[in-house]
Amino acid sequence: DAKTTQPNSMESNEEEPVHLPCNHSTISGTDYIHWYRQLPSQGPEYVIHGLTSNVNNRMASLAIAEDRKSSTLILHRATLRDAAVYYCILLMNRDDKIIFGKGTRLHILP
Amino acid sequence: EPEVTQTPSHQVTQMGQEVILRCVPISNHLYFYWYRQILGQKVEFLVSFYNNEISEKSEIFDDQFSVERPDGSNFTLKIRSTKLEDSAMYFCASSKISNQPQHFGDGTRLSIL
Repeated sequence: DAKTTQPNSMESNEEEPVHLPCNHSTISGTDYIHWYRQLPSQGPEYVIHGLTSNVNNRMASLAIAEDRKSSTLILHRATLRDAAVYYCILLMNRDDKIIFGKGTRLHILP
Repeated sequence: EPEVTQTPSHQVTQMGQEVILRCVPISNHLYFYWYRQILGQKVEFLVSFYNNEISEKSEIFDDQFSVERPDGSNFTLKIRSTKLEDSAMYFCASSKISNQPQHFGDGTRLSIL
């Protein structure tokens, strides 16, 4: 399985943007970049995914480097509810199972 | 918005007993999954299920585990003879097709005594 590297934890102030980095230097051409998060005492939750182009949805934006070896999840205006563990995951086109790493624990300061 | 539901939210079982964890996936989804998370550890893949058969399973999913889709709505995980180390949160997930976003339930906390 292709691997990703994320910081163990990050802090951000409430109502400010948050940029969560992910390195995936061994990504292959068919790997999709997925982000999930897990709020305390809940199951994982899909956030966003992309292949090459930057993506936006109601939850977040995904910025993908031109060489695809890194990506950044952007929360435009963090709230206390965004405190969670964020997982950056690579999925091949034919894959179905998700292999979770340790992710980044995001703390939001009021 | 449709969601994956899991029951019960907490199951307490004596070691050696059989336990069945139940899940109702989103109705138009075709792929179903079970994951587990031991307290303080990573979420681990157990098994994926499509077209009424297992498509992939991990090393954790040994002969003590089985999955079933007994009717058009439920998806179950059975542990035949539970062990202390089976204590964990068990999450069910579903997706429309492979490689599409998976929707997770809130999990069943399984406590083995």
